Amino acid sequence: GAVVSQHPSWVICKSGTSVKIECRSLDFQATTMFWYRQFPKQSLMLMATSNEGSKATYEQGVEKDKFLINHASLTLSTLTVTSAHPEDSSFYICSAPHPPSGPNYEQYFGPGTRLTVT
Amino acid sequence: AQSVTQLDSQVPVFEEAPVELRCNYSSSVSVYLFWYVQYPNQGLQLLLKYLSGSTLVKGINGFEAEFNKSQTSFHLRKPSVHISDTAEYFCAVNLNTGTASKLTFGTGTRLQVTL
Repeated sequence: GAVVSQHPSWVICKSGTSVKIECRSLDFQATTMFWYRQFPKQSLMLMATSNEGSKATYEQGVEKDKFLINHASLTLSTLTVTSAHPEDSSFYICSAPHPPSGPNYEQYFGPGTRLTVT
Repeated sequence: AQSVTQLDSQVPVFEEAPVELRCNYSSSVSVYLFWYVQYPNQGLQLLLKYLSGSTLVKGINGFEAEFNKSQTSFHLRKPSVHISDTAEYFCAVNLNTGTASKLTFGTGTRLQVTL
């Protein structure tokens, strides 16, 4: 099956700094990727849809200037948490659909990135 | 907009006993349905999916689910659970629009298998 990777898997940063998280589709191209956030013992909440070659689409309540998304190529999307604060500490997960439609449609998830802001 | 309800936040069960995790959805249009499993500090692994066709779907690790359109349900079942099945299980729905679209997740059910 298709594989999605994330880097780093774990990051600790100081309050006020920025952190970049990468999401890569390793063996397929993804014009669309999704970014989710998961707090401890809670479900995944969609933050934004990353679109290759165009601006990301953010969900209601998600600050686009704080969570910068760049879909640089057909295999890479990045999420940058700017001026991070302790309340941004969370588990961030990306996914990519492959194929984009049809009977074999599926969304593949990355292993997640644990962000801790101190 | 679509929504997913998982009424049971936790389901305790003894090893080798059967289990059913409930999932109901709400949508005004056709949807795809998924069950994912998440182990601690890991990403999501697909258990099974319903896109079309047979309403009884078989997945990995002995799990199966049945799509019931009239009851808007997609309950997950396993006839005999193992300790290793202890994990968080998420039901998710995806609009069937013909193109990639976002998943909406339920709140999750913690399956706790004990001896």
